[in-house]
Amino acid sequence: DAKTTQPTSMDCAEGRAANLPCNHSTISGNEYVYWYRQIHSQGPQYIIHGLKNNETNEMASLIITEDRKSSTLILPHATLRDTAVYYCIVSGTYKYIFGTGTRLKVLA
Amino acid sequence: AAGVIQSPRHLIKEKRETATLKCYPIPRHDTVYWYQQGPGQDPQFLISFYEKMQSDKGSIPDRFSAQQFSDYHSELNMSSLELGDSALYFCASSYGTSSYEQYFGPGTRLTVT
Repeated sequence: DAKTTQPTSMDCAEGRAANLPCNHSTISGNEYVYWYRQIHSQGPQYIIHGLKNNETNEMASLIITEDRKSSTLILPHATLRDTAVYYCIVSGTYKYIFGTGTRLKVLA
Repeated sequence: AAGVIQSPRHLIKEKRETATLKCYPIPRHDTVYWYQQGPGQDPQFLISFYEKMQSDKGSIPDRFSAQQFSDYHSELNMSSLELGDSALYFCASSYGTSSYEQYFGPGTRLTVT
């Protein structure tokens, strides 16, 4: 079973920040938090990952709580092309266990 | 930048036939993963290989087998195909394990009729 819980769906206005939460209360000390997104039936696209510190790259920011039991992916200025299913994955091994993800819809 | 290559992109087979899917990882990546995504479902992990050795196994049917070759490409062999095997099959690759992110290919869409 997936180790993460995410909202089923979210809407965001174009140009606004999209904040996608993820709960992973059973995360182990050596497990990382990864975020991917899948647009239609394309291969999942890597966004960002982190262990315990907040991370930022050209696509997004990842905020991990101090107790590491939850995290938030932030897309600073959402565009229509960011409409996708976003997966939060916790893993410390060779495999990813995908949950149901959050279906983000960016509205014009 | 080079990405993961999967072939074929589309494959149509009949029940009880055999199919072989191929995956070419990103150059210098030594770990390959296979995932299956059925219609309306989320990706499910099948199997992975690190340095040509099986590193982990998920819900892969006994009818399926896979291997990684010396050039690090991988093949997923599927025999006695069933209608329920119709799905998208994704290959991903990474450099090493643990904290290294996986990069996914475009997938092979298998249709079993």
